[in-house]
Amino acid sequence: QQQVKQSPQSLIVQKGGISIINCAYENTAFDYFPWYQQFPGKGPALLIAIRPDVSEKKEGRFTISFNKSAKQFSLHIMDSQPGDSATYFCAATNFGNEKLTFGTGTRLTIIP
Amino acid sequence: KAGVTQTPRYLIKTRGQQVTLSCSPISGHRSVSWYQQTPGQGLQFLFEYFSETQRNKGNFPGRFSGRQFSNSRSEMNVSTLELGDSALYLCASSLGLVGSEKLFFGSGTQLSVL
Repeated sequence: QQQVKQSPQSLIVQKGGISIINCAYENTAFDYFPWYQQFPGKGPALLIAIRPDVSEKKEGRFTISFNKSAKQFSLHIMDSQPGDSATYFCAATNFGNEKLTFGTGTRLTIIP
Repeated sequence: KAGVTQTPRYLIKTRGQQVTLSCSPISGHRSVSWYQQTPGQGLQFLFEYFSETQRNKGNFPGRFSGRQFSNSRSEMNVSTLELGDSALYLCASSLGLVGSEKLFFGSGTQLSVL
C-alpha cells in the first residue's frame, strides 16, 4: 500500500513540446506529492509539490495535475527545453511521516 | 546558505569490508534522512534521524546503521559489504517532519563494492 507507480520509464520530446509524466498511488493517507528533478552526478532537487486540496498547481513551465478520486497525479512541462533533460521522480508522503515514497523515475530527453 | 554536504563523493570497497558515510545538513535543519538509489530499485528509504533519535527505519538489514550527532551531522555505516550494496547513497535534510517540510538532498556518495 506504500507504492507509487510512475510512467513512462523514459520519454523523448521535441524542443518546444509538452512532456507529461504520470504517477499513481495507493495509500489514501498520502497528502503531500512532490516532484524531484535529478541531473547526472547530482542529488534530486525539489521541483514543485502539491497537496490534495487543489487539483492543479503551476510554477512557470511546470504544472502538477492532481486527481484525488483516481489517486493519480501528473507533471506537465510546457515548452520543453534541452535543459529540462533529466530524471524526474514523483513522490508521496503524509503529514507527520518521516519518509518519502518515490516512484521509479522517468528519464526525460528533450531533442532539438 | 550552504547545501547538504556528503563525504566522500566516491568510495571503492571490497566485499566483507565496512564503510562509513558522512552527511552535514543545511544549517538549522534538525532532520536527516538517508536513501539508497540504484538503477533497478530507484530511491529507497533507509532511516531518518531527528535530534539524535532514529524515528523511522526502512526495510534494510541490520548491516545498515546510522547515527546523528548533537550538531545534526549524521553518519551511516554499512558492515560486511555485499556486491548488492553498490549504490548512490543520498542524504537529505529538512527543518522538521518530511510531510510538512521541504526535503533537500546532497549530491550523494557513490559506493562501489568489488
